[in-house]
Amino acid sequence: GAVVSQHPSWVICKSGTSVKIECRSLDFQATTMFWYRQFPKQSLMLMATSNEGSKATYEQGVEKDKFLINHASLTLSTLTVTSAHPEDSSFYICSASDRGGQETQYFGPGTRLLVL
Amino acid sequence: AQRVTQPEKLLSVFKGAPVELKCNYSYSGSPELFWYVQYSRQRLQLLLRHISRESIKGFTADLNKGETSFHLKKPFAQEEDSAMYYCALLGFQKLVFGTGTRLLVSP
Repeated sequence: GAVVSQHPSWVICKSGTSVKIECRSLDFQATTMFWYRQFPKQSLMLMATSNEGSKATYEQGVEKDKFLINHASLTLSTLTVTSAHPEDSSFYICSASDRGGQETQYFGPGTRLLVL
Repeated sequence: AQRVTQPEKLLSVFKGAPVELKCNYSYSGSPELFWYVQYSRQRLQLLLRHISRESIKGFTADLNKGETSFHLKKPFAQEEDSAMYYCALLGFQKLVFGTGTRLLVSP
């Protein structure tokens, strides 16, 4: 089946630093990748949708300059949390679709970010 | 705006008992609904979708447009069903998740 990986699985960083999270589709080409954020005991919230070779589409309330998304190839998307602050601490999950739509998404295992 | 409500944070049952995980939605258009499951230390995965009208691992879910519900049911719960279950709605090109229900099946 379709597999999506994320790296790193967890990261601890100091406030003010930038953190990059990678999302890879291992055995299929992902025309579209999605980035979600999940706070403890809350649901997944879509942050942005990225299509290979074009700019990401951000959801309302998500700062695009804060959360930089690059979808450089059909198998890789990256999320960079710039100048991270403690309130950015969360669980970040990516998913990928091989059909371009949201109806078929394969999820990565998530990345836990802790900003001190 | 679309919204998915899962009123129960935790549902605890004994093995062999029937299970019903509730999901209600709010959406002005024609919804497409899903149930996702996340087992301990595993990633989120699709369990079933309403348009497939299939039974997966003994689970079924019927879309009730009159009650705007998509409850997940299983007649006899198994210990391996213990997991976090999320109901999700695809609308306006966006997948929106409920807050999830943790199902705990005890022996």
